[in-house]
Amino acid sequence: DIQMTQSPSSLSASVGDRVTITCRASQDIDNYLAWYQQKPGKVPKLLIYAASTFQSGVPSRFSGSGSGTDFTLTISSLQPEDVATYHCQQYYIAPLTFGGGTKVEIK
Amino acid sequence: QVQLEQSGAEVKKPGASVKVSCKASGYTFTGYFMHWVRQAPGQGLEWMGWINPDSGGTKYSQKFQGRVIMTSDTSIRTVYMNLSSLTPDDTAIYSCARVRSRMVVASLDSWGQGTLVTVSS
Repeated sequence: DIQMTQSPSSLSASVGDRVTITCRASQDIDNYLAWYQQKPGKVPKLLIYAASTFQSGVPSRFSGSGSGTDFTLTISSLQPEDVATYHCQQYYIAPLTFGGGTKVEIK
Repeated sequence: QVQLEQSGAEVKKPGASVKVSCKASGYTFTGYFMHWVRQAPGQGLEWMGWINPDSGGTKYSQKFQGRVIMTSDTSIRTVYMNLSSLTPDDTAIYSCARVRSRMVVASLDSWGQGTLVTVSS
């Protein structure tokens, strides 16, 4: 199975800060990488697929980059409504696997 | 719009089975694979498997092989996930999720609201 490692596991930042979350795959997954946002008590919501393509309706302050084994989710200007846990997921091959999640809080 | 409506919360005793349903609307039901993902309290997301709602074909995570069965009823646009031999470690929120594109594996763009399954004696 492909292992997905996210870092950090949690972070605290101020409103307006630039926030970066990384995800590393244990083998080359090309760009078959998705990012999800999960707010407390809710199911995940797809933000980005194919490593850098926005899902419809996602604010432009979110961006994704990377290919191969190393990927990044960036929030250019953190907003209070961005408080959530963010998960990466590879879909290069089954079994689909997820990173451990990054909990984002407001300082 | 795409909607996935899941059945309600369940409480089961160890050794029992649970069947969770996921009723789809707003798109061509037979055109998109459906996956099941679970999340234990305070834990990450865990993929369980997928089903082709059209053919009924399935693929399960090796972790659940032998304990999980996914089925589909096209007449009522509903997929089911049955998990047997439950233990307290199976306490989790179980979610169905549709693939974004017409591929077997892809990102998951629509999710059910989740069904809490609690296993306790």
